[in-house]
Amino acid sequence: DQQVKQNSPSLSVQEGRISILNCDYTNSMFDYFLWYKKYPAEGPTFLISISSIKDKNEDGRFTVFLNKSAKHLSLHIVPSQPGDSAVYFCAGARGSGNTGKLIFGQGTTLQVKP
Amino acid sequence: DTGVSQDPRHKITKRGQNVTFRCDPISEHNRLYWYRQTLGQGPEFLTYFQNEAQLEKSRLLSDRFSAERPKGSFSTLEIQRTEQGDSAMYLCASSLAYGRRGNEQFFGPGTRLTVL
Repeated sequence: DQQVKQNSPSLSVQEGRISILNCDYTNSMFDYFLWYKKYPAEGPTFLISISSIKDKNEDGRFTVFLNKSAKHLSLHIVPSQPGDSAVYFCAGARGSGNTGKLIFGQGTTLQVKP
Repeated sequence: DTGVSQDPRHKITKRGQNVTFRCDPISEHNRLYWYRQTLGQGPEFLTYFQNEAQLEKSRLLSDRFSAERPKGSFSTLEIQRTEQGDSAMYLCASSLAYGRRGNEQFFGPGTRLTVL
C-alpha cells in the first residue's frame, strides 16, 4: 500500500535551470505535505511544507505546488545549484492533532551539473 | 549542537545477537519517532512517542523490536535475535506536538545496522 509515490527515481538538470520533482499520493486524509532533502550518510533535512488547504508555498528558491484534485504535488527549485544534488523525499502527514507520522515516497535523486 | 543525535552511527552484528540504539531528541520536543530506511526506499514509520508514552507502533515492528522513552527524553530501540533482513538505516526524529510547525520533524544522522 504505497500511499506516496515518486515515480522518477532520478533527475539530471543543468546548473541555473529549473528542477521539478513530482510526487503523487492516494491518501486524501493527509493534512500536510513535506519535502525533505537527504545527503549520503546524513539524516533527511526538512526543506519546505504545504498545508492541504493551500495550493502553493514558496521559500526562496523552493516552491511547492499542490493539486488536490489530481492528488499530486511538485517541488520546483529555481535556479538549481550543484549543492542541490541529493535525494529528495516527499511525505504526507495527518494534522498535528494526530500522530504526525510521515509517510514517505521512495525518493528522487537529483543531480545538478555545473 | 542542539540537533537530534543517534548512537552508534554504525553497528555490525552477527545474526541472532541483540542490538540497542539510542536517540537524543531536540530537548524541547515532546514527540519522538523511529523510522527504518532500506536501500532505494524512503523512511518507513516504526513507532512514535509523545513524552514517555508509546502511542503507535507499525505492523513492521515485530515482537523482536522494542522501544522505550523512559523519562520522555532520550529513547532506545532494541532488536532481539537480529536477522539479516533487519539490516537497514534506523532513523530517529523529533518534533513539537502542536502548533504550526508540529509536522516538521527533525531527523538524526541515523544508525546503520549490518547483520552478518
